[in-house]
Amino acid sequence: DQQVKQNSPSLSVQEGRISILNCDYTNSMFDYFLWYKKYPAEGPTFLISISSIKDKNEDGRFTVFLNKSAKHLSLHIVPSQPGDSAVYFCAASGVRDDKIIFGKGTRLHILP
Amino acid sequence: DAGVIQSPRHEVTEMGQEVTLRCKPISGHDYLFWYRQTMMRGLELLIYFNNNVPIDDSGMPEDRFSAKMPNASFSTLKIQPSEPRDSAVYFCASSVNPSSTDTQYFGPGTRLTVL
Repeated sequence: DQQVKQNSPSLSVQEGRISILNCDYTNSMFDYFLWYKKYPAEGPTFLISISSIKDKNEDGRFTVFLNKSAKHLSLHIVPSQPGDSAVYFCAASGVRDDKIIFGKGTRLHILP
Repeated sequence: DAGVIQSPRHEVTEMGQEVTLRCKPISGHDYLFWYRQTMMRGLELLIYFNNNVPIDDSGMPEDRFSAKMPNASFSTLKIQPSEPRDSAVYFCASSVNPSSTDTQYFGPGTRLTVL
């Protein structure tokens, strides 16, 4: 039973355009959400996060939006660059929770 | 800092053999996590330690899997006997404090192939 769902296994976007990666969660106790980025033959690295008290967090080209009522979050990358081609994992954790629950990941391809 | 170190990077073994994966966390990090990545299940948590003590091993798939952390700078994940379905990439990660405001730092992973 997947508590964090990334329903798109892959996504292709033209360079310079906006990339939107989506994530849904089922556990209403989750209060902190993260995105990790993973290149081939490397471990995942932290990208950006958002607390449930916010609905938006921005860091340069990356913005994460949180819709608590819909239990949905999304990662926007604007503009998309070739180096953004990677697998993106959505993750969530709960109050006083030591664990992070990851989704299956979405592979993003930035096309030249 | 060298980051989280894992060895070996690649392991190919035959069904029934014992496999030991190793991890050195970042110095000063009190938490250590073992994950497994597969196409079907994504990135799943197997077990994690706090100050060398196993806290939650509910993600360990079966008794064939075991993990130890004899000291703050070393952990092992052992599979005995190994089976082809254990083929996956195994990651180790560490963090200072796994609360919501901290992040986990991952090693490069060990790609395990069981023939």
